[in-house]
Amino acid sequence: DTAVSQTPKYLVTQMGNDKSIKCEQNLGHDTMYWYKQDSKKFLKIMFSYNNKELIINETVPNRFSPKSPDKAHLNLHINSLELGDSAVYFCASSQQNSPLHFGNGTRLTVT
Amino acid sequence: QKEVEQNSGPLSVPEGAIASLNCTYSDRGSQSFFWYRQYSGKSPELIMSIYSNGDKEDGRFTAQLNKASQYVSLLIRDSQPSDSATYLCAVASSGSARQLTFGSGTQLTVLP
Repeated sequence: DTAVSQTPKYLVTQMGNDKSIKCEQNLGHDTMYWYKQDSKKFLKIMFSYNNKELIINETVPNRFSPKSPDKAHLNLHINSLELGDSAVYFCASSQQNSPLHFGNGTRLTVT
Repeated sequence: QKEVEQNSGPLSVPEGAIASLNCTYSDRGSQSFFWYRQYSGKSPELIMSIYSNGDKEDGRFTAQLNKASQYVSLLIRDSQPSDSATYLCAVASSGSARQLTFGSGTQLTVLP
């Protein structure tokens, strides 16, 4: 059973397109996150939702919009994709003070 | 700006040796410290967490924390080729994992 699952695993698209990445967790956690990992392996938090409410919104372009329909799902929509958006995007979840559990990542390539 | 610094490596050790990974952090209010292991093309997985000064041991892994020096380390004893991965240090400013700041990782290679 996959604890944190995200789709798609790979996403190749052209500049200017709009795309979405979906994430679901079946751990019963109350907090979900989106992280971006660049080519130098640097993991940076983008957003965090607690029980469907946004609690962390780091400095990311407003082309990125998270949506949480319920506490088990956190999707990421990206408008007008740019070359610099190419990275691996990780969804994660946690419960109160527990450590993060990561999904398998979505490798986004913008051409 | 909260920062977490790691030596990016690569760090190479022979099989059976002790691998020592280091991490420093800038926020004195940091409460929780984590080590994640990330194999190439995979997601990070938690291997150790530490919350108070001193050592914490789990199998071949020992985490060491010194809050006065703002320093946390990970020792891997009897290193195996399967330990070859990137090790990410992560620091939380409160007791919660909700505001984790990651270092850029240290790439470890264990040579058979």
